[in-house]
Parts: sequence; structure tokens; C-alpha cells
Amino acid sequence: GEDVEQSLFLSVREGDSSVINCTYTDSSSTYLYWYKQEPGAGLQLLTYIFSNMDMKQDQRLTVLLNKKDKHLSLRIADTQTGDSAIYFCAEINGANNLFFGTGTRLTVIP
Amino acid sequence: DVKVTQSSRYLVKRTGEKVFLECVQDMDHENMFWYRQDPGLGLRLIYFSYDVKMKEKGDIPEGYSVSREKKERFSLILESASTNQTSMYLCASNTPRDRHNQPQHFGDGTRLSIL
Repeated sequence: GEDVEQSLFLSVREGDSSVINCTYTDSSSTYLYWYKQEPGAGLQLLTYIFSNMDMKQDQRLTVLLNKKDKHLSLRIADTQTGDSAIYFCAEINGANNLFFGTGTRLTVIP
Repeated sequence: DVKVTQSSRYLVKRTGEKVFLECVQDMDHENMFWYRQDPGLGLRLIYFSYDVKMKEKGDIPEGYSVSREKKERFSLILESASTNQTSMYLCASNTPRDRHNQPQHFGDGTRLSIL
């Protein structure tokens, strides 16, 4: 199957920006997603980007897509303690199959 | 808002027991999914269903079966539970009606421990 890779851990100070990176291998990806999982909870869709876009901004969230390098990133501006969670990237391919990364645990230090 | 409800948040069972995990969604979604989540492995798809009485194997179906007798309910069955099935299980649903944007909606998960 397709590979979707993320770093496992990221720590940032409150108020700084966080950048969570993701790489994928499937060139037929149509949509790419970012999900957030808070402790003890399921996955919550944060944002998504269509594969023909380079960037999408939604309040404090900025998604950047480099389709040539198959690299996706999620930038959280002014990171708050409530942003501490596991962040999953996921991509859906031309066959409408969804593949998740391993998740990045973001820890925000007060 | 879409609601995906998993019947138990925490479950403890013994090796060899038959275990049922239940999931219900209230948005008339055609598609339903069962994943397991393990540290460092992300989410792995166990089984999914595109319609009532229809099921397809995902990436790791061994040791599991599923049942979709009604559109809103998708059950995951561990026929004979083993300790390596201790995990967080997540149910999700979506609709194929909009083929270009199909975010999956997730339940809160069931943390299953097999002793």
C-alpha cells in the first residue's frame, strides 16, 4: 500500500508556530487531510487540501502542499496549550482509499 | 453534525473470548470503517463496508470479522480474542455522494484490553 510518513513527536513553546510535516508516495492522491486527536478521543477533521492547490489557510492553520516532492505540512500559528494532541495526515488516492500517517504528537510547553 | 457512536469507551476481555465492538452513525452514510490505532503505527484499516450486508477486507483483517445488517450499524467481531488485539479501535463513516471530498467522521474510540 501507499506510505504516509510523519515524525512521531514535536515540542513547541506556547505562542510559537508549529510545523508538522508529512510525506506520501502515491502520486494519484486527490485530497489530503489533517486530523487532530485529543487525548481519549476520536479523530477530528481539521482541514483538507485538494491536490491541485499549493496552499490553504484557515484561521491559525496553514496547509502547504508540494506535489512535486509529495510533501504536506500543517502550520499552526500562535500555538496554544489546547493544540496539544496527535495530528494525523491522510491521503485519499484515485481509488478512493484513505491512508493515514503514523501521527505526530504535538506537545505545547507553557 | 455527524455523530458516530461507539458503544464502549473501555473494554476488558479475556483471551479466547468472542468480543463485539458496536458502532452506530446517524447520518445515513453508506460507508463505514473499522480501524485499529497503535503507537507508532498510526491507523490501520481492518474492514470496511460500502452497503448493508457488504464487507471488504482492509489491510489487517486477520482475526476479525464484521457485520452490517443495518445501514447505521457496523459491528467488529473478534472471534477468539488474543493479547495482540489489545488496541484502540476507531469506527468511521462517510458518504460517497461527493466523490471529491469525503472526510471520514470518527467515533471516540474503544480502548480494548485483552488479558
